[in-house]
Amino acid sequence: GQQLNQSPQSMFIQEGEDVSMNCTSSSIFNTWLWYKQDPGEGPVLLIALYKAGELTSNGRLTAQFGITRKDSFLNISASIPSDVGIYFCAGRLYGGSQGNLIFGKGTKLSVKP
Amino acid sequence: DSGVTQTPKHLITATGQRVTLRCSPRSGDLSVYWYQQSLDQGLQFLIQYYNGEERAKGNILERFSAQQFPDLHSELNLSSLELGDSALYFCASSAERGRREGETQYFGPGTRLLVL
Repeated sequence: GQQLNQSPQSMFIQEGEDVSMNCTSSSIFNTWLWYKQDPGEGPVLLIALYKAGELTSNGRLTAQFGITRKDSFLNISASIPSDVGIYFCAGRLYGGSQGNLIFGKGTKLSVKP
Repeated sequence: DSGVTQTPKHLITATGQRVTLRCSPRSGDLSVYWYQQSLDQGLQFLIQYYNGEERAKGNILERFSAQQFPDLHSELNLSSLELGDSALYFCASSAERGRREGETQYFGPGTRLLVL
C-alpha cells in the first residue's frame, strides 16, 4: 500500500534546541496533518495543512505543505520538556478515499532538561 | 480533550473471546474511523463509517466488524481473539464530506486491549 516516509525515527535533543522532522512520499497528497501522541493517549491534532505551499504556525510549531504536494515538514522551536512524545504525520492522497488517512511511522522526541 | 470518547479504557480478555469497543464522536461529526496501533505497526486504518453507512475499509480482519448507530456512536466488535490482537484501538471522528477541513480527524483516548 501507500507509504509515508517519516524521518527521523527518533531524536534526542537538549531543552531550548529547535527540532525539524519531515514526511515524504512518492504520491501526491491533498491534505497533510501533524499529530502528537503521548504514551497511552490518543493522537492530538497539532496542525492541518490543505494547500500546497501553505505554511501554518501553532505557537512554537510551524508546518509546511510542500510545493510538490509530496512532502511536509514540522518544526518545533525552543523545545521544552513537555514536547516529549511521538509526532506523526498523516496525509490524504489526492484522489484517494474520502477521510482515509495514511500515517507515517512517527518521530519519537526526547528532550533533556 | 478532542471531544471523542471511547470506552472502556482498558480491556483484558482471553484468546477466543469476543469484545466490543465503543466510540462516541464529537458532537455533530458524522464520520467515525477505527484504527489499530500495535508497537511495531504504527497506526493502521481499519474502517470508516459515515452517517450509519460503511464508507471505506482498510486492513480490517474478517473476525472484526463495526457499525454506526442512528445516534452516530460506533462499536467495533472483535471476535475469536488472538494474542496478536493485543493493541491500542483508536476511534476518530470528522465533521463532513466534501470539504477538506471538515474531514480532519480528531482522535479519542483509545482502548487498550490485552489478550492473554
